[in-house]
Amino acid sequence: QVQLQQSGAELVKPGSSVKISCKASGYTFTSYDMHWIKQQPGNGLEWIGWIYPGNGNTKYNQKFNGKATLTADKSSSTAYMQLSSLTSEDSAVYFCAIGKFAYWGQGTLVTVSS
Amino acid sequence: DIQMTQSPASLSASLEEIVTITCQASQDIGNWLAWYQQKPGKSPQLLIYGATSLADGVPSRFSGSRSGTQYSLKISRLQVEDPGIYYCLQGYSAPYTFGAGTKLELK
Repeated sequence: QVQLQQSGAELVKPGSSVKISCKASGYTFTSYDMHWIKQQPGNGLEWIGWIYPGNGNTKYNQKFNGKATLTADKSSSTAYMQLSSLTSEDSAVYFCAIGKFAYWGQGTLVTVSS
Repeated sequence: DIQMTQSPASLSASLEEIVTITCQASQDIGNWLAWYQQKPGKSPQLLIYGATSLADGVPSRFSGSRSGTQYSLKISRLQVEDPGIYYCLQGYSAPYTFGAGTKLELK
């Protein structure tokens, strides 16, 4: 069965960067777009972008250009999202999802605080 | 960007009651509409895809429909496990966009 296992919660300082992961299993990693979604506390869902692990192609929501960088490691079937120049506005739960959002990871909480 | 206007923002209903949630797309998205249920501390769970197709394992009391650019999720007989936040998602064109959510509670 499809499983997306995300890395654990992160507490990071303003101005720093963080890299969170999403390890995939149960399907061919290189055959499906991996999407990333942001959910701020008490707020709705916002699409960040996708990466196609087969060739590394990416597409970003313009709002997250320069904020998020998506990569993928085919050898470990793991997708990554790096968030840079963090502010309090980046404090959120981040999800990975595949299959046109049919399958989701459990989410990674990122808290930006000094 | 395609805007998804979801209503109502919140809803309180009794057991066995019929519940309907709607999403209005700002432009044609064909059948590229999905519905999700999210419970506290969990990831969204797919209920409906392709506007009307029931996802695997989802009870048949959930159904989706489309009229032009308006999409609806119907719960035919509300059950105790159905409260949560419901979201629509347009997967027609990037940036993919979600509705603001409907918080469903039991009366």
